Amino acid sequence: QSVLTQPPSASGTPGQRVIISCSGGRSNIGNNFVYWYQQLPGRAPRLLVYRRNQRPAGVPDRFSGSTSGTSASLAISGLRSEDEADYHCATWDDSLRSWVFGGGTKLTVL
Amino acid sequence: QVQLQESGPGLVKPSETLSLVCSVSGGSMDNYYWIWIRQPAGKGLEWIGRVHASGISDYNPALKSRVTMSIDTSNYHFSLRLTSVTAADAAMYYCARDDGDSFDSWGHGTVVTVSS
Repeated sequence: QSVLTQPPSASGTPGQRVIISCSGGRSNIGNNFVYWYQQLPGRAPRLLVYRRNQRPAGVPDRFSGSTSGTSASLAISGLRSEDEADYHCATWDDSLRSWVFGGGTKLTVL
Repeated sequence: QVQLQESGPGLVKPSETLSLVCSVSGGSMDNYYWIWIRQPAGKGLEWIGRVHASGISDYNPALKSRVTMSIDTSNYHFSLRLTSVTAADAAMYYCARDDGDSFDSWGHGTVVTVSS
């Protein structure tokens, strides 16, 4: 059972905008930055979005993160077939004194 | 660009100790946290813990009693020991770098199976 809650799956067609949610509590999302990682099939996760919607070099601006209260979301616009992957949210939990993750959302591009 | 590579036995017997090493190349280990994360097949990611270049470590409370991490910056590697393993510890184990902003570099991962 993950501390952060993500929907297990999401889908969209090419060109669409998809939003993946991540729900937590005051001790984690409510008080810390949320990070998003993309995991392509059979690959290690890679950083997608960090801190206040910052993206590492090479990550297109089609990916954007936002936070409101104890929930966060990752928006992917102009969906492409290569976006088909698992997406994980993560943040620090002040009560647990530990990094915590969501269970991951499998995105399918139809 | 820093690169990380996990190594260690792919098969561990129940109740025994899992030991993995992460080799680091292409950059200094100083001033960073170095972390271990695992992912059971078909499941989400779990942070196991971190060790700083200074040797200071923090562990996931759920695993703290069984985990030890160490680091050797001179030889560019850090290690994970997990004692008394059970089937629940079977997973893909990743090492990664925490640059203070994020987990910005990851190894490819190594599969650990727990079986007698």
